[in-house]
Amino acid sequence: DAKTTQPPSMDCAEGRAANLPCNHSTISGNEYVYWYRQIHSQGPQYIIHGLKNNETNEMASLIITEDRKSSTLILPHATLRDTAVYYCIVRAYNAGNMLTFGGGTRLMVKP
Amino acid sequence: DGGITQSPKYLFRKEGQNVTLSCEQNLNHDAMYWYRQDPGQGLRLIYYSQIVNDFQKGDIAEGYSVSREKKESFPLTVTSAQKNPTAFYLCASSRGAGGSYEQYFGPGTRLTVT
Repeated sequence: DAKTTQPPSMDCAEGRAANLPCNHSTISGNEYVYWYRQIHSQGPQYIIHGLKNNETNEMASLIITEDRKSSTLILPHATLRDTAVYYCIVRAYNAGNMLTFGGGTRLMVKP
Repeated sequence: DGGITQSPKYLFRKEGQNVTLSCEQNLNHDAMYWYRQDPGQGLRLIYYSQIVNDFQKGDIAEGYSVSREKKESFPLTVTSAQKNPTAFYLCASSRGAGGSYEQYFGPGTRLTVT
């Protein structure tokens, strides 16, 4: 699986959009971009994933650059409950085994 | 409610004892996984299973064992051979094992060995 790089921490004001970047410059054509988050002492929660096109669901939007070397997770209206560690992961379509979790970005949403 | 359950939430054991962590899912998922998380770190894969009666080692399988006798259950045994067993253990499942399937996680079991 391709390696990802994320900033270790970010702050966001409550009610504003949180934009979390992820660099995956070595991604290959069959690798998906996944985002998970982990609230303290809980299991990770799936947020969204995509291959080439931008994706949106009820939780977030995922913007993938045209060259697929980076992506941005957007939480459109961050709340205090969105404070968590956010993990960006790339995973091959035929990867039968695991998600490789790096250090992630610790997002702090402030009132 | 569909989901993944892990029990207990907290577990305490003496050094030298084997301990089994429970993981059950009622999502009808084929694939199941066990991860370990140490403080301030990401998750590391211990074992995974793509179908019943089959499982594969992950990155850190030494000192652990698993079984997959039923689709909905994937228990993890932490043996006395595991040198640093104190950690947060997370179980996950997915509909299939391919990269297009998201994994869903249980609430975790925090194991402390003294």
